[in-house]
Amino acid sequence: QVQLQESGPGLVKPSETLSLTCTVSGDSISSYYWSWIRQPPGKGLEWVGYLYYTGNTNYNPSLKSRVTISVDTSKNQFSLNLSSVTAADTAVYYCARQQLLRRDFDYWGQGALVTVSS
Amino acid sequence: QSALTQPPSVSGSPGQSVTISCTGISSDVGSYNRVSWYQQPPGTAPKLMIYEVSNRPSGVPDRFSGSKSGNTASLTISGLQAEDEADYYCSSYTSISTYVFGTGTKVTVL
Repeated sequence: QVQLQESGPGLVKPSETLSLTCTVSGDSISSYYWSWIRQPPGKGLEWVGYLYYTGNTNYNPSLKSRVTISVDTSKNQFSLNLSSVTAADTAVYYCARQQLLRRDFDYWGQGALVTVSS
Repeated sequence: QSALTQPPSVSGSPGQSVTISCTGISSDVGSYNRVSWYQQPPGTAPKLMIYEVSNRPSGVPDRFSGSKSGNTASLTISGLQAEDEADYYCSSYTSISTYVFGTGTKVTVL
């Protein structure tokens, strides 16, 4: 059974960098695409970006200048860095697995709430 | 990229059918059969219900079905049950290899 678990600080100060890690168990990170998706409190889902284990990435154009997604295949983990955060970046951040050809998100982590506040 | 457009809410009595629309543009929903649907009960992570417009993953009841015409995809829940009450989101692959989600629809079982 594939499981994804987000981890990282729950509180980040404005203008600093938000960093989260997703640990994958039950499958190899080298077989799929992996995405970050966020959801501000009471609002809808927003795709942040994806990564393939080779390091190939693509990001939401509205966040592209501030986002970096990277992979550590030795630990079966991938990570999100979002720089220069503001209160608008406060959200539950989910990591999710994507099938290579189907382009859907078939497994999700439970989500991690990150609050941006001084 | 703009979010796909969904109705804010739909409702129905147990046993009835409800349909949720998801309207995009020619460079996302209109160009690809890579539309998926997600169910999100309050306080939980989204769950995949439909992929590639009309396919159900293992374990999803056949009461859930999907379709697409032009730039609009639809999710139909037949034989509505109390456990179907949740928020539903569509998602589409786009021409610039990104993904866009719908605005979300709250399904209420009366």
